[in-house]
Amino acid sequence: KAGVTQTPRYLIKTRGQQVTLSCSPISGHRSVSWYQQTPGQGLQFLFEYFSETQRNKGNFPGRFSGRQFSNSRSEMNVSTLELGDSALYLCASSLAGGAYEVQYFGAGTRLSVL
Amino acid sequence: AQSVTQLDSHVSVSEGTPVLLRCNYSSSYSPSLFWYVQHPNKGLQLLLKYTSAATLVKGINGFEAEFKKSETSFHLTKPSAHMSDAAEYFCVVTLGSGNTGKLIFGQGTTLQVKP
Repeated sequence: KAGVTQTPRYLIKTRGQQVTLSCSPISGHRSVSWYQQTPGQGLQFLFEYFSETQRNKGNFPGRFSGRQFSNSRSEMNVSTLELGDSALYLCASSLAGGAYEVQYFGAGTRLSVL
Repeated sequence: AQSVTQLDSHVSVSEGTPVLLRCNYSSSYSPSLFWYVQHPNKGLQLLLKYTSAATLVKGINGFEAEFKKSETSFHLTKPSAHMSDAAEYFCVVTLGSGNTGKLIFGQGTTLQVKP
């Protein structure tokens, strides 16, 4: 069974631009969560989607948004990029997002904002 | 509120010696606890998971962790380190029901393995 796939692996953008990252979950998984990883803040939860609905959200500004499609694939969008948005963005999938479920991670998208 | 503290930011061991990575948690609920490993430029891989079925949890690659409620700890151990174990390790706790899909990560412990 294929794992979680994130595209692209690397992105370079400039301040003020917007970016869209993509995540394809493991087949059969309906929950997709997104995380931001930076050296200073570590791994922080962005949001979680299940059946095309955002169920949970972390403490990030509204510039960070996402969506989920009917096939469970998810996209994350960051508008008006800032230097501080440079990070590794990880998505993870699980069957239903429950507290006792294992989340499986993709390799991440490394975003550099210049 | 749930939180997790990894007591060491960096641990260095020699190949063939035991590994101990320490983690304390705080949880209002019966916690769900995990250890994940991240190799350079890679995503996170699950090492093991505590499900309340057994306090001693065995994971992949010879790692295990013991859940100690009285000490609110979930330390990760391995009897003999291998060079390939060099990576960053994260102790993770989940919130209770109603907080779907959200993992709370510790700050991570970098494991260095010297030949």
